[in-house]
Amino acid sequence: QSVLTQPASASGTPGQRVTMSCSGSTSNLGSNYVYWYQQFPGTAPTLLIYSNNQRPSGVPDRFSGSKSGTSASLAISGLQSEDEADYYCAAWDDSLNGVAFGGGTKLTVL
Amino acid sequence: QITLKESGPTLVKPTQTLTLTCTFSGFSLNTRGVGVGWIRQPPGKALEWLAVIYWTDDKRYSPFLKSRLTITKDTSNNRVVLTLTNMDPVDTATYYCAHGPLWDPFDIWGQGTMVTVSS
Repeated sequence: QSVLTQPASASGTPGQRVTMSCSGSTSNLGSNYVYWYQQFPGTAPTLLIYSNNQRPSGVPDRFSGSKSGTSASLAISGLQSEDEADYYCAAWDDSLNGVAFGGGTKLTVL
Repeated sequence: QITLKESGPTLVKPTQTLTLTCTFSGFSLNTRGVGVGWIRQPPGKALEWLAVIYWTDDKRYSPFLKSRLTITKDTSNNRVVLTLTNMDPVDTATYYCAHGPLWDPFDIWGQGTMVTVSS
């Protein structure tokens, strides 16, 4: 029931490149920036990507973001075991008049 | 360095009103373009945006909870307060406050505070 749609799960092996998607509409991803967050169990989300493809200082360049139309993607290259976490996308929604979140993708490193 | 911290009760009874305080440092809610919002996360579930307040005192609420929510700011003491009326067990969640720019999601989050609704 989240405004933005994310696959529930993703997986990859160490060293692999994985991508996860975030799908929205013209009122959110189609007209506003996408943000991505990483969340480990029992901790608060932390910002991974802002303004579609910008990394805050301290975020490894293994993480990258992109957006096209009403869809966005987060890519993780050189996958590491410590990347196992939940990942959420978010964007301002002009119809909601607030922040829309995705349902989250649980990443498993095999 | 921007930090935020949530405080409030850990347990509330059904029908009671929840009042949460976000105390922040490293920025001012008098600064143009700055906002503080609230987000919650039920156990094992996704993030849900609740409300945001901006430096102009402009307030936005989730349409799904608008009738129950109130957000206010105390700029002098660097605090933002959220109230949620008529609490129900489905409101059991970790509640986060976060800093964010105008009309954008949040960049810096507090550690969160777990609130359980039970009689």
